[in-house]
Amino acid sequence: DQQVKQNSPSLSVQEGRISILNCDYTNSMFDYFLWYKKYPAEGPTFLISISSIKDKNEDGRFTVFLNKSAKHLSLHIVPSQPGDSAVYFCAASGVGGSYIPTFGRGTSLIVHP
Amino acid sequence: EPEVTQTPSHQVTQMGQEVILRCVPISNHLYFYWYRQILGQKVEFLVSFYNNEISEKSEIFDDQFSVERPDGSNFTLKIRSTKLEDSAMYFCASYKRTSRENEQFFGPGTRLTVL
Repeated sequence: DQQVKQNSPSLSVQEGRISILNCDYTNSMFDYFLWYKKYPAEGPTFLISISSIKDKNEDGRFTVFLNKSAKHLSLHIVPSQPGDSAVYFCAASGVGGSYIPTFGRGTSLIVHP
Repeated sequence: EPEVTQTPSHQVTQMGQEVILRCVPISNHLYFYWYRQILGQKVEFLVSFYNNEISEKSEIFDDQFSVERPDGSNFTLKIRSTKLEDSAMYFCASYKRTSRENEQFFGPGTRLTVL
């Protein structure tokens, strides 16, 4: 039962261009959404989050957009850099008041120089 | 910058053996978690721990699993009798939880290989 879905296992982007990573969720009770980045041999690192009362949150090159009606969120990275190459996990929490995030399977982003 | 540490980085064990995975959370954090990621699959929640007791656990966290905070710094996950399907990366995380915006900090993981 995948409550958080990242349908693209991988994405390849040229340096300087925009990277768009997508995530869909099925449980309308989720009210907080997070993106984590993971490099090989390291644990996930928090990147950016958004509450369900917002539709956009921006932090430097990273912007997360939330479309609650479509149960969809996306992470935009502009401009993309080779150091952004990593696996990006979408996560959601809030069901029953729980802070425990439910993770998607991840999207591997490769940014080519 | 404070970080979560985990030992060992890689553990190889025979099926049926007990393993203990160790974590040192960030010192002023109050909530502690274990997750696992089977190769190629998503990160899955196992258990959360607060105030010296389990606060939430998933269906994966059955009787063969246990957690303990034996002292003021370590947080351990014990798998009593390992199975082949327990082979995975195990991540520890800690959380300050003073506000919703505080995120969980993850350790680098322990790769468990059950032969």
